[in-house]
Amino acid sequence: KNQVEQSPQSLIILEGKNCTLQCNYTVSPFSNLRWYKQDTGRGPVSLTIMTFSENTKSNGRYTATLDADTKQSSLHITASQLSDSASYICVVSAGNTDKLIFGTGTRLQVFP
Amino acid sequence: DAEITQSPRHKITETGRQVTLACHQTWNHNNMFWYRQDLGHGLRLIHYSYGVQDTNKGEVSDGYSVSRSNTEDLPLTLESAASSQTSVYFCASSEQGVTEAFFGQGTRLTVV
Repeated sequence: KNQVEQSPQSLIILEGKNCTLQCNYTVSPFSNLRWYKQDTGRGPVSLTIMTFSENTKSNGRYTATLDADTKQSSLHITASQLSDSASYICVVSAGNTDKLIFGTGTRLQVFP
Repeated sequence: DAEITQSPRHKITETGRQVTLACHQTWNHNNMFWYRQDLGHGLRLIHYSYGVQDTNKGEVSDGYSVSRSNTEDLPLTLESAASSQTSVYFCASSEQGVTEAFFGQGTRLTVV
């Protein structure tokens, strides 16, 4: 069964600190992996998209890594800001269907 | 600017009533998707369409239907609303292939 699992489920950090979120997937055949940010009461917004051949991609203070061999990805947030408080969702696309399989997300809270 | 909009943002309906949620995108995307988001679950795919007159069932399609008469719109209909369909519904659109998917703001539906 295609699954995407994320850890931790929730995380609290202080403003200015770094953090890393984890994603493991069992999706086959693999097409691409995405990280989305979802603010409370809003729709998800794309942060990064990585294909099989890419092992790292950055978007400002967000850096995603992908290890297709171990089927793991991470999202590293540098110098966190209060506005980073949100849910971060790992999403994997299977095969060539353009359908997305969503993890349950990591809820990040950044406190001053 | 191109966008994807959902309406209404909030709706309360009674069990057994037919309800239609609207989704309109101006990206001119071929792919459109409907998801529901519930606590403890990742976004789950209800129905999707790869183009005009094309509709397909997702993993949680029972009790829902969609129609695609033009590129811009993919309305989601709940034939006979049930309390189990209380959820937040998200519409998304994308081009084919490894491209960013854009999400609407969501519709919070309560069935009483």
